[in-house]
Amino acid sequence: AQSVTQLGSHVSVSEGALVLLRCNYSSSVPPYLFWYVQYPNQGLQLLLKYTTGATLVKGINGFEAEFKKSETSFHLTKPSAHMSDAAEYFCAVSEQSGNTPLVFGKGTRLSVIA
Amino acid sequence: DAGVIQSPRHEVTEMGQEVTLRCKPISGHNSLFWYRQTMMRGLELLIYFNNNVPIDDSGMPEDRFSAKMPNASFSTLKIQPSEPRDSAVYFCAITTLAADNEQFFGPGTRLTVL
Repeated sequence: AQSVTQLGSHVSVSEGALVLLRCNYSSSVPPYLFWYVQYPNQGLQLLLKYTTGATLVKGINGFEAEFKKSETSFHLTKPSAHMSDAAEYFCAVSEQSGNTPLVFGKGTRLSVIA
Repeated sequence: DAGVIQSPRHEVTEMGQEVTLRCKPISGHNSLFWYRQTMMRGLELLIYFNNNVPIDDSGMPEDRFSAKMPNASFSTLKIQPSEPRDSAVYFCAITTLAADNEQFFGPGTRLTVL
């Protein structure tokens, strides 16, 4: 069984400040890990993913995340927040066997203050 | 969103009516997923297909829900009869042969049952 916990349903940062969104996962098999972003009234867009190999993965819009197996974490960061980053962010886990469903966290709403 | 077309984008219906949601994926996909998003439960899997064959429908809430994939380019999710608690956003997502379980989401159908 797999599960995802996102700490903080709402995070607020100032424009230009560091963004840190926390994600911890539980998986009985080696996981694939994902971060998706959802803008209002839209579908989910993939920000980045970890499959195998390098544990620090870079995504779109300046975001990156680091897979830490010992901590079962996959936190999302961005050095400098932009107003356009305001959205809902979802962490998700799946099995490595491919073509398996995603298990999502509850989501974190990011607000960026000017 | 360009890889998955969902229709209708919005649906308002009365309790007891039949509702059919449609998903048209791009060619070259190998798996198709139906997810539901609500405030209370977040994003949850309803059912998924591999190569047009249903693999896991354990997320389908009850017998009122049914899903089909008659061919590789079309899937439907039907609710009969609909109830107010079915109000949610329903997403269709696909994986393609070239991706490591990366799922591409459609824009969703916002269903309101009065």
